[in-house]
Amino acid sequence: GQNIDQPTEMTATEGAIVQINCTYQTSGFNGLFWYQQHAGEAPTFLSYNVLDGLEEKGRFSSFLSRSKGYSYLLLKELQMKDSASYLCAPMDSNYQLIWGAGTKLIIKP
Amino acid sequence: TAGITQAPTSQILAAGRSMTLRCTQDMRHNAMYWYRQDLGLGLRLIHYSNTAGTTGKGEVPDGYSVSRANTDDFPLTLASAVPSQTSVYFCASSDSASGMDTQYFGPGTRLTVL
Repeated sequence: GQNIDQPTEMTATEGAIVQINCTYQTSGFNGLFWYQQHAGEAPTFLSYNVLDGLEEKGRFSSFLSRSKGYSYLLLKELQMKDSASYLCAPMDSNYQLIWGAGTKLIIKP
Repeated sequence: TAGITQAPTSQILAAGRSMTLRCTQDMRHNAMYWYRQDLGLGLRLIHYSNTAGTTGKGEVPDGYSVSRANTDDFPLTLASAVPSQTSVYFCASSDSASGMDTQYFGPGTRLTVL
């Protein structure tokens, strides 16, 4: 079957660094997406990885290891506005996104 | 540009009534999707459309129907609502021809079925 595993909740301090891990099992693989979702709002696109390695985009970076079925999202210089849920979503062989329940990130001053 | 719009923003519906959730995009994306999001669960795909004139079933299609008469609009209909359909519904679109298939989401419709 298809499965996504990511922590339910994480807490970090403003200005610090946090890594949100995601492991996945899918029928086929066509890349992995990370989305950010603030409470009561729609998910917004953060990053896409299709090859192994690290993709850096400002304060956010995303890593992928296809052989391990593993990805992480790294957030640096945390700001209060980064308090949100972070959704890991690999794309299967049918080009459908398989969504995890998301990791709720709480930033404390 | 507006991107994707959904209507209504929220709705309270009596069980057994029908309702259509509207979704319109102005990005000329070929693919569109309907998801529901429930607390503690990931987004679940209800129906999708890869191009105008075609639709497909997702993970949880029962009780829902869709149509795709043109590129811009993708309405979702609940023929006879039940309380288990209480959820937040998101419409999304993507330009699958780009190869990256990034999905862009509308603001959502919060539906309560009593």
